[in-house]
Amino acid sequence: EPEVTQTPSHQVTQMGQEVILRCVPISNHLYFYWYRQILGQKVEFLVSFYNNEISEKSEIFDDQFSVERPDGSNFTLKIRSTKLEDSAMYFCASTRGGQNTGELFFGEGSRLTVL
Amino acid sequence: DQQVKQNSPSLSVQEGRISILNCDYTNSMFDYFLWYKKYPAEGPTFLISISSIKDKNEDGRFTVFLNKSAKHLSLHIVPSQPGDSAVYFCAASSASGSRLTFGEGTQLTVNP
Repeated sequence: EPEVTQTPSHQVTQMGQEVILRCVPISNHLYFYWYRQILGQKVEFLVSFYNNEISEKSEIFDDQFSVERPDGSNFTLKIRSTKLEDSAMYFCASTRGGQNTGELFFGEGSRLTVL
Repeated sequence: DQQVKQNSPSLSVQEGRISILNCDYTNSMFDYFLWYKKYPAEGPTFLISISSIKDKNEDGRFTVFLNKSAKHLSLHIVPSQPGDSAVYFCAASSASGSRLTFGEGTQLTVNP
């Protein structure tokens, strides 16, 4: 069964460092997302991406964050200068079509620890 | 952000009995509601959904009920099985955007 894959599964970084989290969405999917879950808190929407551009972003997704689909298969989330509060589990998700069905396929997550 | 709220952080039921998980929302623009299940060290997995034009959707052991006037939905699992033990998230979306807004989650434990 096709699945969304994410790397790395866990990354530890120093505050101020740049981090890139990678995702390979399901191959025939067209809409891509990043969500995050800070320990003990809700899963929060960060950004959605369609047709090679951001279609929606949350208040969390400030200038420190960027997304890219560089080669038609990978979908990356970059955090330019990490802060302690960026420590969280980051989930990539994708769906085939229809922005508002909500039936997203999630990856297993990348745990980011900022020291 | 309290737009979607699951007031019970945990629920414990006996195998074979019914599990009822509840969710409340405040944003009247939400028109699509979903339940996701999450095991430790895994991402959320879609379980079942309902659009606002319906009040019930059933898929095998899982049924979701929507009460729009009360802004309340519930997930019924019957009969409950030990493999159902997981965190269940309620989520909602609106026609104006693609984001899902999640509740806090309810940890369901089904005891053999």
